[in-house]
Amino acid sequence: AQTVTQSQPEMSVQEAETVTLSCTYDTSESDYYLFWYKQPPSRQMILVIRQEAYKQQNATENRFSVNFQKAAKSFSLKISDSQLGDAAMYFCAFHTTGANNLFFGTGTRLTVIP
Amino acid sequence: ETGVTQSPTHLIKTRGQQVTLRCSSQSGHNTVSWYQQALGQGPQFIFQYYREEENGRGNFPPRFSGLQFPNYSSELNVNALELDDSALYLCASSWGGVGKQETQYFGPGTRLLVL
Repeated sequence: AQTVTQSQPEMSVQEAETVTLSCTYDTSESDYYLFWYKQPPSRQMILVIRQEAYKQQNATENRFSVNFQKAAKSFSLKISDSQLGDAAMYFCAFHTTGANNLFFGTGTRLTVIP
Repeated sequence: ETGVTQSPTHLIKTRGQQVTLRCSSQSGHNTVSWYQQALGQGPQFIFQYYREEENGRGNFPPRFSGLQFPNYSSELNVNALELDDSALYLCASSWGGVGKQETQYFGPGTRLLVL
């Protein structure tokens, strides 16, 4: 079975500080892609960062970076220098190579405190 | 480059009615996937269309059906609406090939309320 677990329903961070959102997943496949999506109150799911499982180097996009531990099936998101605009639901997701669909976790609601 | 668009933004229906939701894919994309997101949950895969054919389906009954047109836009049809169909319906487009799918980009969603 393909599953994604986000164990933190809610997180908060002070503006300009750093926060890490956790995600674990389960798959028997060896080749897959991992994603973090952000869903603000506007509802649109916005891609934050993507990681190919075959790459050992952790992906980075400006203030967003991941800690990908393939053996542990862990894929956490670190947000540095948090900004008010980072407040949103964050979803961890993955799909196996050639698969049709994304498997999503239940999300973590991030609050940024001014 | 035009992003993924969906219409309508909101919709209210009653039980037993039928509804059609529409999605225009991002320029250069040939694949459309539909997801249902219940309140407080992550999105659940409904089905995917690639080159106008259904290319995979999640655990949804046959009253959920779809179409993809030659311009890669897509429709999601739901017949015999039930109260539990109330949700945000998300469309995502991507570029796909045989045995390969690229990153999915989402539209703003359609909020459906069934009374």
